[in-house]
Amino acid sequence: GGIITQTPKFLIGQEGQKLTLKCQQNFNHDTMYWYRQDSGKGLRLIYYSITENDLQKGDLSEGYDASREKKSSFSLTVTSAQKNEMAVFLCASSMDRGQDTQYFGPGTRLLVL
Amino acid sequence: AQSVTQPDARVTVSEGASLQLRCKYSYSATPYLFWYVQYPRQGLQLLLKYYSGDPVVQGVNSFEAEFSKSNSSFHLQKASVHWSDSAVYFCALSRTGGYKVVFGSGTRLLVSP
Repeated sequence: GGIITQTPKFLIGQEGQKLTLKCQQNFNHDTMYWYRQDSGKGLRLIYYSITENDLQKGDLSEGYDASREKKSSFSLTVTSAQKNEMAVFLCASSMDRGQDTQYFGPGTRLLVL
Repeated sequence: AQSVTQPDARVTVSEGASLQLRCKYSYSATPYLFWYVQYPRQGLQLLLKYYSGDPVVQGVNSFEAEFSKSNSSFHLQKASVHWSDSAVYFCALSRTGGYKVVFGSGTRLLVSP
């Protein structure tokens, strides 16, 4: 089996700061995803990537950048952290398309002071 | 556009009782449907998925779900719950050939002793 690793586990930032979250997978999956999870709102797609160096915007991409320089890694940048923002960012990977099972990392918890 | 609605934000059942978590979807064709579970401080894990065939699909840990095209529903069921089933459950949908997965807002299940 494989694993998805997200770093850091916790991220505390200041308003206006640029913050980067990292995700690594060893499944050799083609597709990777970044989701934002807010309490009571489920998961919202920020960015996804279907192969190395590919980036596709999700429904919540404004305020975020992403990068997929290697097949195994997918990073997300919060371009300007918003004061009092609190959310969990989940990374996932799947073999190919949406009908394939997604495998999730444990998440990065963000708090902006 | 496709959407997923989980009408119950929280459900409490007694240990040993039966369970049904509701999921309604909106999509013009037959979608891929999923149920995922999220235990505290973990990512999501797949319970089961459905695309075609027998409308009752079996999953891990004795969970099953029933697809109804006429009702646009995919309810999750379990005959007898255990305290360890306490978690957040997400229903999700993907269209054929697409990469995006749309998640519902989740149902938090609490199993009381």
